[in-house]
Amino acid sequence: AQTVTQSQPEMSVQEAETVTLSCTYDTSENNYYLFWYKQPPSRQMILVIRQEAYKQQNATENRFSVNFQKAAKSFSLKISDSQLGDTAMYFCAFMKRGNFGNEKLTFGTGTRLTIIP
Amino acid sequence: EAQVTQNPRYLITVTGKKLTVTCSQNMNHEYMSWYRQDPGLGLRQIYYSMNVEVTDKGDVPEGYKVSRKEKRNFPLILESPSPNQTSLYFCASGLAGLSGANVLTFGAGSRLTVL
Repeated sequence: AQTVTQSQPEMSVQEAETVTLSCTYDTSENNYYLFWYKQPPSRQMILVIRQEAYKQQNATENRFSVNFQKAAKSFSLKISDSQLGDTAMYFCAFMKRGNFGNEKLTFGTGTRLTIIP
Repeated sequence: EAQVTQNPRYLITVTGKKLTVTCSQNMNHEYMSWYRQDPGLGLRQIYYSMNVEVTDKGDVPEGYKVSRKEKRNFPLILESPSPNQTSLYFCASGLAGLSGANVLTFGAGSRLTVL
């Protein structure tokens, strides 16, 4: 079974600064996907970024980037030039690749990020 | 607009009164799933379905039922709700199999309170 750990329950940062959210996971699988989801106060689950484990290059999406360390089983999210709209709960999640039938996401417990004006 | 629609968005009920949370998707996805979100626990999978008439248990299925009679609908049924089922519920859907199932689309969530 997979586990995902987010060790920072809450974080806060000044607007325009850079912040890094950490995530570690445990798995015996070699092929998998990792995700960061954002949950703003509206409660909607929004996909921020996705990383395929077989790709060495770190994924980026505009101001969001990840630092994927497969050997260390670490998957941190960096938010550059943070904006007030980035205030949200952030979840790290794992999905085993090729698990036909159950595309199950295993989630961490979340990090509540507050951007301070 | 491609979306997953859940209803109701908010519900307060009493112990033992059967209720159904509906979920519908318009993307012709084979795969659908239910999650519950609780503080300090993240989201946990309740049930999933890989196609019509095919369902299976997730990690926390106790006290829940599902059905998949049509491809677009995947209702979550609480036959006899209890206070420990007070939670935020999410329905999600995606394509099945290796080709594209790794990205799920989530509904807006249903906040359920059982008194």
